[in-house]
Amino acid sequence: KAGVTQTPRYLIKTRGQQVTLSCSPISGHRSVSWYQQTPGQGLQFLFEYFSETQRNKGNFPGRFSGRQFSNSRSEMNVSTLELGDSALYLCASSLEGSSYNSPLHFGNGTRLTVT
Amino acid sequence: KQEVTQIPAALSVPEGENLVLNCSFTDSAIYNLQWFRQDPGKGLTSLLLIQSSQREQTSGRLNASLDKSSGRSTLYIAASQPGDSATYLCAVRYYGGSQGNLIFGKGTKLSVKP
Repeated sequence: KAGVTQTPRYLIKTRGQQVTLSCSPISGHRSVSWYQQTPGQGLQFLFEYFSETQRNKGNFPGRFSGRQFSNSRSEMNVSTLELGDSALYLCASSLEGSSYNSPLHFGNGTRLTVT
Repeated sequence: KQEVTQIPAALSVPEGENLVLNCSFTDSAIYNLQWFRQDPGKGLTSLLLIQSSQREQTSGRLNASLDKSSGRSTLYIAASQPGDSATYLCAVRYYGGSQGNLIFGKGTKLSVKP
């Protein structure tokens, strides 16, 4: 079974641009969540989608947005990029519905560098 | 504030040693707690998931325990090997607040010397 796939693996953008990251979950997984990882802040929750609906959102500005498609694939978008957005963006999928009983499975991430 | 703390931040041990990694959390109202390992430049690999009703989980040389009353979890690694070198992260899924929000500790970087 294929794991969680994130594309692209690396991205370099300049300040003010926007970027879209993609995540394909494990087949059959309906929940997708996104995280930002930086050396200073560690892993921080961005948002979670289940059945095309955003179920939870972390404390990030509105420049960060996401969506989930009917095949459970998800995208996240960051507009008006800032230097501080440079980070490893991780996507995770799980089987769970509302019970949160299933383990998370992570992709290898997209490394975003903003110059 | 719901937080997760991992101590120590880094640990270096000789090969073959048994070791314990610690994770503490501030609120006992949790769905579950999950341990991950992360290799440099990679995503996270799930090691063990402990539900709030469970006391421990085992997988091979790994054993994770959960004590909600004291807000602590430990990850025990038996007979450590150089291949165990990685950063180990603990994550707690809390009830309430941003329901379903997963809070991560900052990890313990483990180095196992041959």
